[in-house]
Amino acid sequence: ETGVTQSPTHLIKTRGQQVTLRCSSQSGHNTVSWYQQALGQGPQFIFQYYREEENGRGNFPPRFSGLQFPNYSSELNVNALELDDSALYLCASSFSGAGNTIYFGEGSWLTVV
Amino acid sequence: AQRVTQPEKLLSVFKGAPVELKCNYSYSGSPELFWYVQYSRQRLQLLLRHISRESIKGFTADLNKGETSFHLKKPFAQEEDSAMYYCALRDDYKLSFGAGTTVTVRA
Repeated sequence: ETGVTQSPTHLIKTRGQQVTLRCSSQSGHNTVSWYQQALGQGPQFIFQYYREEENGRGNFPPRFSGLQFPNYSSELNVNALELDDSALYLCASSFSGAGNTIYFGEGSWLTVV
Repeated sequence: AQRVTQPEKLLSVFKGAPVELKCNYSYSGSPELFWYVQYSRQRLQLLLRHISRESIKGFTADLNKGETSFHLKKPFAQEEDSAMYYCALRDDYKLSFGAGTTVTVRA
């Protein structure tokens, strides 16, 4: 059992609204990443946080932002939601350092209507 | 930029038959490659990684740098192997995933 938990599991938002997704990392993990998985595609890297600072970002616009808290939990915020933002959002945690396994949560399903 | 390609979207095999899932990558450095699996209604989980050179649930994968491939193989498929499989490449802090292959093992 990996221990990465995400909330909510499902939610529906209207275009233009804002959404916050939450993640609790596995105990002892100090690095958290977020991925977007659209239907029929593999997960796409959004960004990573280490020690409360963003230290890597994929090809996502600034309206995708995040936070990491001192207890290593994390939030993903998306502003001005668009229909194409509908996807499964995955949180992943690991201990920093090469070779460490990355563990995924079950994800939050976001539907934008 | 790194890229991972899984040419097969769907793969259907009979129980007991061999199964091979193809994965090709492009990467300028020394790659770190993984196979992740997602069973129905479960989270994405690590199946194996090339640096471990281990066999998990009967699956093996060999990194072929000449062909830039990391194909996943199992000699005798089982019904419980039905799942979505993703090949992924790790570049420093992030994983780049292929589009995935859905495997169905029929009795």
